Amino acid sequence: KQEVTQIPAALSVPEGENLVLNCSFTDSAIYNLQWFRQDPGKGLTSLLLIQSSQREQTSGRLNASLDKSSGRSTLYIAASQPGDSATYLCAVRGGADGLTFGKGTHLIIQP
Amino acid sequence: SQTIHQWPATLVQPVGSPLSLECTVEGTSNPNLYWYRQAAGRGLQLLFYSVGIGQISSEVPQNLSASRPQDRQFILSSKKLLLSDSGFYLCAWSATGLAYSAFFGQGTRLTVV
Repeated sequence: KQEVTQIPAALSVPEGENLVLNCSFTDSAIYNLQWFRQDPGKGLTSLLLIQSSQREQTSGRLNASLDKSSGRSTLYIAASQPGDSATYLCAVRGGADGLTFGKGTHLIIQP
Repeated sequence: SQTIHQWPATLVQPVGSPLSLECTVEGTSNPNLYWYRQAAGRGLQLLFYSVGIGQISSEVPQNLSASRPQDRQFILSSKKLLLSDSGFYLCAWSATGLAYSAFFGQGTRLTVV
């Protein structure tokens, strides 16, 4: 059974810092990995999707990498802003039966 | 563009009462549809998924059921709610196939009292 772990569980940094969120998964037989953002009491917003054949994806200040063989992904946020404060979720797709999620990293960017 | 609608946003129901949560998707055909539950400290758990009308797969045994009466409509139901059914319920869709992103609705906060 696939298990996804996100480290750290919580992170608080001052505005302007670059930061890295980590995600690991136990079964490397995945089709893709997706990073989401969740604001309190809201649904999930898709940030980046990395196919299993890809190494990284970029969108603005966000860069996600994937090392499928080692079961790891990182989300890099450059020049963090208070508006980046949210919970970040990593999820892997192993088949048509949906995504397996980590428990998330709760991020606070201090103004 | 595709959009997903989920309602109601919040719901407070007594133990033993029925439940019906609805999710609809616009702007796409034959999507894969999903119901997830997010409980405090436990992350998102997949409850049901559907690859077509009338096709429902359940991931965990529970007090809930799902139906897909139309191509872009997904309903989560219960005949009698339990306290343990409280949580944040999220509907999601993805295009047919395994290479596509999943997109989520805004969720329903269910409190069973």
